[in-house]
Amino acid sequence: GEDVEQSLFLSVREGDSSVINCTYTDSSSTYLYWYKQEPGAGLQLLTYIFSNMDMKQDQRLTVLLNKKDKHLSLRIADTQTGDSAIYFCAESRYGGSQGNLIFGKGTKLSVKP
Amino acid sequence: EPEVTQTPSHQVTQMGQEVILRCVPISNHLYFYWYRQILGQKVEFLVSFYNNEISEKSEIFDDQFSVERPDGSNFTLKIRSTKLEDSAMYFCAGGEGNTEAFFGQGTRLTVV
Repeated sequence: GEDVEQSLFLSVREGDSSVINCTYTDSSSTYLYWYKQEPGAGLQLLTYIFSNMDMKQDQRLTVLLNKKDKHLSLRIADTQTGDSAIYFCAESRYGGSQGNLIFGKGTKLSVKP
Repeated sequence: EPEVTQTPSHQVTQMGQEVILRCVPISNHLYFYWYRQILGQKVEFLVSFYNNEISEKSEIFDDQFSVERPDGSNFTLKIRSTKLEDSAMYFCAGGEGNTEAFFGQGTRLTVV
């Protein structure tokens, strides 16, 4: 069945770049998403990429998609302590519908000063 | 900035009782969703709702679950007879279209 996998932890120093990786299995996924969850808060949509793109940049965030390898990454440039959170990768299940997202378990990013 | 709000933030209920989790989506949203996250596990899709009816639901969303949008603003999830394994964080989400979803802060449901 469909599955999304992420490493559980990532630790970086303030000012460095962070790269959070994700693999997915459903080749028919149309959209892939990155969400951020801060402690006690909901899931904040950071960015998403359409499957016919291989890169999307939004300020400090860069999303890379390798559709052949079913690999998605999120790069955060100049990581700040405020970026410490759990980052979830998700894929859409039914060809573009947000209704049924398959989430990874989340990567906990710790940023050390 | 408008946001999706959920109440209560934490609900404790006895096994077998009915609970209603409430959500107030952003006013221009047309698509509504419920997800849940059992502690230590992945966020799981429950149901999507569009045009006053369920558009998709997962295997988790069985007969003990129901959703309503009774007054055009609130969006509710009802669990008829709660079980211990229903303990989870329940997230409501909404979007104008079906490519973005904005989540609420969640309701933590504890069934004892």
